[in-house]
Amino acid sequence: KAGVTQTPRYLIKTRGQQVTLSCSPISGHRSVSWYQQTPGQGLQFLFEYFSETQRNKGNFPGRFSGRQFSNSRSEMNVSTLELGDSALYLCASSLYRRTDTQYFGPGTRLTVL
Amino acid sequence: GQQLNQSPQSMFIQEGEDVSMNCTSSSIFNTWLWYKQEPGEGPVLLIALYKAGELTSNGRLTAQFGITRKDSFLNISASIPSDVGIYFCAGLPLYSGGGADGLTFGKGTHLIIQP
Repeated sequence: KAGVTQTPRYLIKTRGQQVTLSCSPISGHRSVSWYQQTPGQGLQFLFEYFSETQRNKGNFPGRFSGRQFSNSRSEMNVSTLELGDSALYLCASSLYRRTDTQYFGPGTRLTVL
Repeated sequence: GQQLNQSPQSMFIQEGEDVSMNCTSSSIFNTWLWYKQEPGEGPVLLIALYKAGELTSNGRLTAQFGITRKDSFLNISASIPSDVGIYFCAGLPLYSGGGADGLTFGKGTHLIIQP
C-alpha cells in the first residue's frame, strides 16, 4: 500500500507570494492533518480535515488555510508569505479522526526569501 | 496549549548500548505515539499506545504509556548505527472541543551513535 505523498518536495518563494501544497493520503484514509516543523518551534499542528470539512485548527493566522476533496486528497494554502513561514510542512493521514494513529508524508520544504 | 517535555535533548552513545528517553506532560493524554525522523523525511511511526499502563514492543524498541496518563517512555536495546535520528513523542489529548486538538509533539531526542 502506497504511503502518504506530498508535492512538491521543495519550494522557494518570495515574501508576499502565496503557495499551495498538496497531500495524498494513504488509500482508504479519510482524515488528513497538516503540521509545520521548524527548528525553533518543533512540530506544530495546523489543521485537520475529515470528510471535506475542517475539524480542528491550531494557533496559526488566517493566512494558513486548507481544503479536502471528495477523494480525501488535501491542499494547504499560505497567502502573503512571510520569512517566518519557511519550514517543513508535513501532512499526516489516518483512517478516521483523532483516535487513530497518524502516518506522515515526507513533507514539503518551503523556503521564503 | 498543551506542552510535552521530552528528555534528554540529545544522546551520544556507543553502539550496543541501551537507550532510554521519556516524555512528560502537565495534561492527560488519550494516546501516546513515538516517531523517528531522519534528515529530509517525515516522521515514521514506531509505536502507538492507547491505554494507561500499556507496554508495547516493536523489535528492539519498547514503549510504555504511564499510569497517570501524563508520561511515556521509549527504550531501545542494543543500539545499532541505523538507530541514528530524532525521536519524537506525541500525545493526543482528551477531546476538549476547543478546536486545537491535533497531536502535540515533544521537541525530540537526537540520538547519535558512535561505532
